[in-house]
Amino acid sequence: GDSVTQMEGPVTLSEEAFLTINCTYTATGYPSLFWYVQYPGEGLQLLLKATKADDKGSNKGFEATYRKETTSFHLEKGSVQVSDSAVYFCALSEQDDYKLSFGAGTTVTVRA
Amino acid sequence: SAVISQKPSRDICQRGTSLTIQCQVDSQVTMMFWYRQQPGQSLTLIATANQGSEATYESGFVIDKFPISRPNLTFSTLTVSNMSPEDSSIYLCSVDGTSGQETQYFGPGTRLLVL
Repeated sequence: GDSVTQMEGPVTLSEEAFLTINCTYTATGYPSLFWYVQYPGEGLQLLLKATKADDKGSNKGFEATYRKETTSFHLEKGSVQVSDSAVYFCALSEQDDYKLSFGAGTTVTVRA
Repeated sequence: SAVISQKPSRDICQRGTSLTIQCQVDSQVTMMFWYRQQPGQSLTLIATANQGSEATYESGFVIDKFPISRPNLTFSTLTVSNMSPEDSSIYLCSVDGTSGQETQYFGPGTRLLVL
């Protein structure tokens, strides 16, 4: 079945540091890939997505590229802020299927 | 994107009781889903709420424990029945985005603590 494997946390960074969260997936077809973010005390929000190979999703300075050859969708941000402290979830849905499979989540803490 | 609300936002319940969680969307949507997020864990899909028919449950979840209603295209309820402390979780509903975009939007969640 489909699965998503995320880099384990927690991750602690200083402000303006570079952030990478690794995500790899297993799927039978051509899935859509997502990053969701959960800020402290808030609900889950869609951060970015990519629906086909070589697509790059981007939002709020975050980027992730759909790499079919390595089955990866790593999340990156060049300069993090304290406000980026959150739990980040990688997820996928198979083609023509809305059901989401989530990774375990990575807790990121950014210190001033 | 749709605006989704859930009631209650949190609750503390006694074991053996049941709690019904409501999910309301500000626009008609085709698909509604219910997820569970246990403490420190990722999200697990409980079921897909189908309008006009029974919900479709994922492996490990049954209708007797988690009955779901979907009376129309903007509303759904999830009941957590005969609760035990292991049911303490955040329960989230989500809806599909615009047709064909395969994106889900999530409600704020209901934090449940069972004593």
